[in-house]
Amino acid sequence: QKEVEQNSGPLSVPEGAIASLNCTYSDRVSQSFFWYRQYSGKSPELIMSIYSNGDKEDGRFTAQLNKASQYVSLLIRDSQPSDSATYLCAPFNAGNMLTFGGGTRLMVKP
Amino acid sequence: EAEVAQSPRYKITEKSQAVAFWCDPISGHATLYWYRQILGQGPELLVQFQDESVVDDSQLPKDRFSAERLKGVDSTLKIQPAELGDSAMYLCASSSTSGRYNEQFFGPGTRLTVL
Repeated sequence: QKEVEQNSGPLSVPEGAIASLNCTYSDRVSQSFFWYRQYSGKSPELIMSIYSNGDKEDGRFTAQLNKASQYVSLLIRDSQPSDSATYLCAPFNAGNMLTFGGGTRLMVKP
Repeated sequence: EAEVAQSPRYKITEKSQAVAFWCDPISGHATLYWYRQILGQGPELLVQFQDESVVDDSQLPKDRFSAERLKGVDSTLKIQPAELGDSAMYLCASSSTSGRYNEQFFGPGTRLTVL
């Protein structure tokens, strides 16, 4: 079992729709969770961090964390073509390391 | 806006040659990371520095890879000799803290191609 699992996609949504990106992790001790956006050929860009169960909203982005289910998600409201990228989930594990999932490729179609 | 700097952006080399990558973290960030990202995968940590000390290099192939951060600021990652399987994006990141709240910020990366 991989430490961090993400559906590789592509996840295709129409412009203006809500994109829902999911991530499960195996390390129950993970306390911090980060979402990165990575455009093709570019480096990862931090877009959200979440530390407590529940929802955290930042503009069009909402991160959701459920530690009991070892599940974290990212919702993107009013999706735009510029949101088309790979989204990487990264829990901060017991070894004090970020462990990245393989990413979900999101395609927003005009 | 403060950014992590990396050079070169692209490097093409032949196998068995030596290559070196440089990273300058965001000013004031004590923690520096080197990651390797193979196409289609997430970044994998190679080495972590806290100031000038190595905190974790368990995933660094020490027979050919070396990393240093002599003055606790900028850092160099070296590969000698390069192998075909080393072709990847090499990413440097920095953070102001090494604890669970550490938000890591990445540089633009160095795309290495080994022929």
